[in-house]
Amino acid sequence: ILNVEQSPQSLHVQEGDSTNFTCSFPSSNFYALHWYRWETAKSPEALFVMTLNGDEKKKGRISATLNTKEGYSYLYIKGSQPEDSATYLCAFSDSWGKLQFGAGTQVVVTP
Amino acid sequence: SAVISQKPSRDICQRGTSLTIQCQVDSQVTMMFWYRQQPGQSLTLIATANQGSEATYESGFVIDKFPISRPNLTFSTLTVSNMSPEDSSIYLCSVEDQGRGAEAFFGQGTRLTVV
Repeated sequence: ILNVEQSPQSLHVQEGDSTNFTCSFPSSNFYALHWYRWETAKSPEALFVMTLNGDEKKKGRISATLNTKEGYSYLYIKGSQPEDSATYLCAFSDSWGKLQFGAGTQVVVTP
Repeated sequence: SAVISQKPSRDICQRGTSLTIQCQVDSQVTMMFWYRQQPGQSLTLIATANQGSEATYESGFVIDKFPISRPNLTFSTLTVSNMSPEDSSIYLCSVEDQGRGAEAFFGQGTRLTVV
């Protein structure tokens, strides 16, 4: 994989349901993997920065895992709420420090 | 952390004109980054703006089209010159917390529509 790829592009979730989506990235020259939440008309906000293979991070109902050997990360949202509606971006950072972003997964949580 | 004020938040411009986007950071930072997100595409780095030196542009972006100023450690501007409808995008400025690979902070974005 040469680019950062996110799937699905969008998903609709019922309030209270849990969901997850993926980010695939180049497995060579890895330095860090970032997750951001971007709500409409707001700044993208950092959720996690992960650097170690096997890393798992959690923030409230949102968690993420990292597999640097195979080049993927999962983001999980447990018990989705309408305020979780946003576009979730992942970004790969190589040893030069530049961020390469995926196109994002748009999450819509309906009551 | 850093708080970035970016303006304008949105604009509708005629083709052939230019728009300058401003970003003000609440702390001094060495590097500021300018990104573009075209509809349905990834957030793509345009250039890195360093204070006191020329900006560094990524492949596919040139200074004549996207001139950047960085007069001090808290401020930068990006100009989108001679605009065409293909320039319709969201433009974001960003800084990183304490160096490479660290968490990035973003402005609120400028949603540009070229008609």
